[in-house]
Amino acid sequence: AQKVTQAQTEISVVEKEDVTLDCVYETRDTTYYLFWYKQPPSGELVFLIRRNSFDEQNEISGRYSWNFQKSTSSFNFTITASQVVDSAVYFCALSGGNSGYSTLTFGKGTMLLVSP
Amino acid sequence: DAMVIQNPRYQVTQFGKPVTLSCSQTLNHNVMYWYQQKSSQAPKLLFHYYDKDFNNEADTPDNFQSRRPNTSFCFLDIRSPGLGDAAMYLCATSRGTRGDEKLFFGSGTQLSVL
Repeated sequence: AQKVTQAQTEISVVEKEDVTLDCVYETRDTTYYLFWYKQPPSGELVFLIRRNSFDEQNEISGRYSWNFQKSTSSFNFTITASQVVDSAVYFCALSGGNSGYSTLTFGKGTMLLVSP
Repeated sequence: DAMVIQNPRYQVTQFGKPVTLSCSQTLNHNVMYWYQQKSSQAPKLLFHYYDKDFNNEADTPDNFQSRRPNTSFCFLDIRSPGLGDAAMYLCATSRGTRGDEKLFFGSGTQLSVL
């Protein structure tokens, strides 16, 4: 069975602070994929990033960066110089790839509140 | 430019009164999903269609049904809504069902049961 744990239920920061959202996963698949989705107050989940289990390179996209470490089964997400528009619920998700067929398992999400 | 459209945005129904939620997509994707998201919880997959092939999750209650009359539309029918069915219902699409598929979500329908 697959499992995604986002231990931080809610994080509050002041604008321009850096913030890291934690994600720990469990899977028996040797091939798997990790995702982060953002859910703003409008409700629509928006894809942010996808990572496969064979690629442990960290990735940076503007103010966003992701740190994937297989040794600790973690896929953490950092926002640098946070802005009010970053306020949303962020979901980490996992899907397996061994069978060639999979559906996403989501974590419970971390609500990020960025105040001016 | 909306690609996955859900109507209505808010739906109120009465206990036990059947309700249908709608989803349409302009992406021509093969797969359509229905997720249930209760407050402060992870989205939970109810079922999905790959083309016309219906795939039900093992723990989805029989009270929930789905129809996909064509590629663009998918409906979620709740035959006898209970108070516990109040939730946000999210529709999503993807090209296929490989593990690396990116999902595209609609804005959801918030269902209230009185």
